[in-house]
Amino acid sequence: DSGVTQTPKHLITATGQRVTLRCSPRSGDLSVYWYQQSLDQGLQFLIQYYNGEERAKGNILERFSAQQFPDLHSELNLSSLELGDSALYFCASSVVGRGETQYFGPGTRLLVL
Amino acid sequence: AQSVTQLDSQVPVFEEAPVELRCNYSSSVSVYLFWYVQYPNQGLQLLLKYLSGSTLVKGINGFEAEFNKSQTSFHLRKPSVHISDTAEYFCAVSEGNTDKLIFGTGTRLQVFP
Repeated sequence: DSGVTQTPKHLITATGQRVTLRCSPRSGDLSVYWYQQSLDQGLQFLIQYYNGEERAKGNILERFSAQQFPDLHSELNLSSLELGDSALYFCASSVVGRGETQYFGPGTRLLVL
Repeated sequence: AQSVTQLDSQVPVFEEAPVELRCNYSSSVSVYLFWYVQYPNQGLQLLLKYLSGSTLVKGINGFEAEFNKSQTSFHLRKPSVHISDTAEYFCAVSEGNTDKLIFGTGTRLQVFP
């Protein structure tokens, strides 16, 4: 158990819909990262938040957005869903500093039908 | 742009045999290197990481990796594998002033009795 929790574990929805994925980081970790794992794209970095502020952005679609709240939990919002958005979405957290270990949650499996 | 190449998508090996999983990276600046393992239906777990210092890094579960700057490689090794080592292994790199991880495409290690 990494200490990072993600809800829900599974999500099935239809094209055009909007979903919210939630992540609670490990106690004391200020940084939260979101990654997408799909068969065709592999594991890709989406976005990082540090203490409520956006710190780095990867190949995140404009239809996707994220935020980190004062209690440090984070939400990833996916809208106008397409079939190709079906993937495993991981949240990770770490303390501050380069090279610090990122601890991954169990992921949310999203299926868009 | 930095990238990570894992040359072997699958590595079959018999139990108690040694194994090497290959990882090469491309970067023009100093990097931090990581190996993560993903067991079926689970999140990623850090095996080991190289930040600086000794080029031979020891990790959990008997794994080790050697950083070779001239060959831009960070191969993962284990002298004797167990059935329980069957999993997907990911090499990752971070560079510059970002914390985001760039992952390779993964190597599926299958250990046979």
